[in-house]
Amino acid sequence: AQKITQTQPGMFVQEKEAVTLDCTYDTSDPSYGLFWYKQPSSGEMIFLIYQGSYDQQNATEGRYSLNFQKARKSANLVISASQLGDSAMYFCAMRGSGTYKYIFGTGTRLKVLA
Amino acid sequence: DTAVSQTPKYLVTQMGNDKSIKCEQNLGHDTMYWYKQDSKKFLKIMFSYNNKELIINETVPNRFSPKSPDKAHLNLHINSLELGDSAVYFCASSQDLSGSREQYFGPGTRLTVT
Repeated sequence: AQKITQTQPGMFVQEKEAVTLDCTYDTSDPSYGLFWYKQPSSGEMIFLIYQGSYDQQNATEGRYSLNFQKARKSANLVISASQLGDSAMYFCAMRGSGTYKYIFGTGTRLKVLA
Repeated sequence: DTAVSQTPKYLVTQMGNDKSIKCEQNLGHDTMYWYKQDSKKFLKIMFSYNNKELIINETVPNRFSPKSPDKAHLNLHINSLELGDSAVYFCASSQDLSGSREQYFGPGTRLTVT
């Protein structure tokens, strides 16, 4: 069985500072993919970043980076230089090699303060 | 151009009615999905099609019936609507069944059953 856990229901960060959103996962699949999505108040789901379980380096996409610690089964999202437009719900998701299903966490609501 | 589109965006209807939500993607993707997001923002997969073939059929009431006339379209029909069906329904697509593929989401359909 696969499981994604996001333990922070809400987070605050000051504009221009960095913030880390936590995500831990559990799977018995030998390989898997980890994803982060952003859902602004307007409702759409926006893909941010992907990390493969066999990738040697942590993924980065602009101001987003994924702090992947395989032994700890964690895939935290780091947002650098936060902007007011980063205020949104953030979802961690996983897809194991033994399934076609993507499993989503419960999300973290981030509020960036001016 | 909209990559994944859904119609309607809002749907308000009474209990017992039958309704449909339509989804189209112009990305040339092989795989499409339906998700339900409840009031607590929990996102759960309902169905997935790959090249018009059903590959995921989660434990949802059989009042929900997906239909994929071609690989660019995935519709969701709901019979005998109940109050508990009120949610946001998202359509999504991914390039193929590979686990490294991110999903592209439609804008969502907010269904309210009264």
